[in-house]
Amino acid sequence: QKEVEQNSGPLSVPEGAIASLNCTYSDRGSQSFFWYRQYSGKSPELIMFIYSNGDKEDGRFTAQLNKASQYVSLLIRDSQPSDSATYLCALCPGGTYKYIFGTGTRLKVLA
Amino acid sequence: DTGVSQDPRHKITKRGQNVTFRCDPISEHNRLYWYRQTLGQGPEFLTYFQNEAQLEKSRLLSDRFSAERPKGSFSTLEIQRTEQGDSAMYLCASSEEQGTPLHFGNGTRLTVT
Repeated sequence: QKEVEQNSGPLSVPEGAIASLNCTYSDRGSQSFFWYRQYSGKSPELIMFIYSNGDKEDGRFTAQLNKASQYVSLLIRDSQPSDSATYLCALCPGGTYKYIFGTGTRLKVLA
Repeated sequence: DTGVSQDPRHKITKRGQNVTFRCDPISEHNRLYWYRQTLGQGPEFLTYFQNEAQLEKSRLLSDRFSAERPKGSFSTLEIQRTEQGDSAMYLCASSEEQGTPLHFGNGTRLTVT
């Protein structure tokens, strides 16, 4: 089992819709969770981080964490074509300094 | 806060040559990370520094790779005797504390011909 699993997509949503991106992880000791956006040929850009169970909202973005079920999700409301990118889920597992990244989900917002 | 800076942005080299990349982290951050990313994959951890100490290194990192952070500020990543499989984006990131967000530089894209 991979440490961080994401559906590679592409996930296609119409402009103005809600995009839902999901991520599951294997290490129950993981404490910190992150979502990054990455445009083609560019480096990852931090979108959200979440440390506690529940929802965290920032503008059009909501991160949801459920440690018991070992998943974290990102909701993007009112999706725009400029949101089209790859979204990377990342976390800090226990017992290591490194951050582990998923392979990313490619999102396409159709105008 | 000027962000994480990496140099060069692009590097094309011939197989067998040595290359060195530089990273300047955010000045307040004492934690520095190197990652490698290939097409269609997420960033893959290479190594971690806390101040000048290299505290973690990926087992995937061959002995052709070496990284330093001599004064706890900027860091260098050297690849000796490059191979075509080394072609990738090399990303540097820094963070304020363990578990806080990583801030990435623009990356160095390496092409080995």
